[in-house]
Amino acid sequence: DTEVTQTPKHLVMGMTNKKSLKCEQHMGHRAMYWYKQKAKKPPELMFVYSYEKLSINESVPSRFSPECPNSSLLNLHLHALQPEDSALYLCASSGTGTPNEKLFFGSGTQLSVL
Amino acid sequence: QQPVQSPQAVILREGEDAVINCSSSKALYSVHWYRQKHGEAPVFLMILLKGGEQKGHEKISASFNEKKQQSSLYLTASQLSYSGTYFCGTEDLYNTDKLIFGTGTRLQVFP
Repeated sequence: DTEVTQTPKHLVMGMTNKKSLKCEQHMGHRAMYWYKQKAKKPPELMFVYSYEKLSINESVPSRFSPECPNSSLLNLHLHALQPEDSALYLCASSGTGTPNEKLFFGSGTQLSVL
Repeated sequence: QQPVQSPQAVILREGEDAVINCSSSKALYSVHWYRQKHGEAPVFLMILLKGGEQKGHEKISASFNEKKQQSSLYLTASQLSYSGTYFCGTEDLYNTDKLIFGTGTRLQVFP
């Protein structure tokens, strides 16, 4: 199994809602990532987990809260988002998070904040 | 600061060749290349390490000039399936645990 699975595929939420994005991989990877991608722009790194510990937070606003319950799962909890947070949220994984590892991406969650 | 890619867009006929460039302002440890089709996940193509190596993947190859902090992706005899947006990703020498994507190059191949 070489897939990274993200759910839901689409999400519409109001600015007062709380929702969560889920990402799962069963490749035995120990590094997992959240990227945000606006239309026609490159993916932007948000968070990196290595061995279930948060190793990188790219100064992401606190309305985004990541969680890594175990080595196969990665969540992104959303609360009080703004319309400008509407984007494609991509999850990725790699072997151990060391340099030169290829990333395996999920197909993303398209988020719309109204 | 993200790497800059050129050109921003390329239109080709099947069978034509293209070169996509990626330029960084930082000293690089490695360069990755990914292709993303519309509405899909980015897909890994190849990684190049410092040392000026060149790699190939079917009719797609790449080079990495670490002194110039640049990489180029070569697509030869393009096929319809090559259409998509190509992103380079760089790990700089002092921050190897972050992959930062370049500005992207949109490639369209027509019959």
